[in-house]
Amino acid sequence: DQQVKQNSPSLSVQEGRISILNCDYTNSMFDYFLWYKKYPAEGPTFLISISSIKDKNEDGRFTVFLNKSAKHLSLHIVPSQPGDSAVYFCAALIQGAQKLVFGQGTRLTINP
Amino acid sequence: SQTIHQWPATLVQPVGSPLSLECTVEGTSNPNLYWYRQAAGRGLQLLFYSVGIGQISSEVPQNLSASRPQDRQFILSSKKLLLSDSGFYLCAWSAGTGGSPLHFGNGTRLTVT
Repeated sequence: DQQVKQNSPSLSVQEGRISILNCDYTNSMFDYFLWYKKYPAEGPTFLISISSIKDKNEDGRFTVFLNKSAKHLSLHIVPSQPGDSAVYFCAALIQGAQKLVFGQGTRLTINP
Repeated sequence: SQTIHQWPATLVQPVGSPLSLECTVEGTSNPNLYWYRQAAGRGLQLLFYSVGIGQISSEVPQNLSASRPQDRQFILSSKKLLLSDSGFYLCAWSAGTGGSPLHFGNGTRLTVT
């Protein structure tokens, strides 16, 4: 049972434009959401998070939006840069459960 | 600052051989520790997590096991590897407080031949 889903395995965006990565979840108990970035042969690195009590969190070029009624969140990167090319994982957490559930990942390619 | 070490970086093992992957964390005490696996073309699957010494929770039935002999040491083991055990294994730690993110090691690429 895939509780966190990233339905787009890949996304290609031109440098300087906006990248939008999407994520859906099924478990309404999730109350904290995170985005991770992963380069090949490396561990994922934490990017940005959002609590379920908020609908937006911004950190520099990265903004995460949460729509609880739709059980959907998205990561916006603007402007996109070549170094943003990586696999992005969405993850969800029930804060008392100490377990992070990941989506399948979306490979983002930024074209010059 | 906190750091996480995971080794080896790559490993090629024959089917039926044993496995031992080690992970250690520095700069923090009583972390939550995790083992994840990323199979080819798939997301990150939680295998085991631990909230304290000797406390292991298993998420997926399999021929793997985990142990936490010390506060900041987490070991992933198998007595007999299967071909399906091939993948990218990641150790991670978190502070364990609400909403604290996981911090990952650089992973071990395991190929079972």
